[in-house]
Amino acid sequence: DTGVSQDPRHKITKRGQNVTFRCDPISEHNRLYWYRQTLGQGPEFLTYFQNEAQLEKSRLLSDRFSAERPKGSFSTLEIQRTEQGDSAMYLCASSPGRGNTEAFFGQGTRLTVV
Amino acid sequence: AQKVTQAQTEISVVEKEDVTLDCVYETRDTTYYLFWYKQPPSGELVFLIRRNSFDEQNEISGRYSWNFQKSTSSFNFTITASQVVDSAVYFCALWVQNTDKLIFGTGTRLQVFP
Repeated sequence: DTGVSQDPRHKITKRGQNVTFRCDPISEHNRLYWYRQTLGQGPEFLTYFQNEAQLEKSRLLSDRFSAERPKGSFSTLEIQRTEQGDSAMYLCASSPGRGNTEAFFGQGTRLTVV
Repeated sequence: AQKVTQAQTEISVVEKEDVTLDCVYETRDTTYYLFWYKQPPSGELVFLIRRNSFDEQNEISGRYSWNFQKSTSSFNFTITASQVVDSAVYFCALWVQNTDKLIFGTGTRLQVFP
């Protein structure tokens, strides 16, 4: 296991299209997080899962965004009807949970909405 | 509310100089963790260090050292004898018990010139 992997690395889409990103966490990590990072800013929390349960969603996550982790392993983040303001780097992280706060990040998916 | 401030937006140094990156945090909780991450141009956030709020002992790892001072709510990061490979954006982050997420600062871009 080489760490958290995200796919795709880059995505260019036209405004109004739907996009889906995938994150594969480190094996046996219970927690999975999604963050969004815009240019010149630090990552901002979007949502996280404990196994397959989505425990918290940020107010940044509008109703056009949905995240799933169906079997407690990989996760998907879907954005419907994309807008130019959705252009950002979407980062996934996983951690062992159970009091272990160390989070390991993937390389991110850079989304450009044109 | 929790907050992390990295007042230095960008720092430029010449190779072999020492450089200190500042981080100031805010939280009313007594149990928390502080982190530093490195983000090279590839985009992945690389974990550097984690300190818990009950351990103010400073730490040294090779050319890296961290100074944690609860009295001033600061967790500063020093690179000794900087190298070109240290060029990256560095993020300080805070994890507060019961929030289950990292809160990042806006980052400091370090450029090390040969």
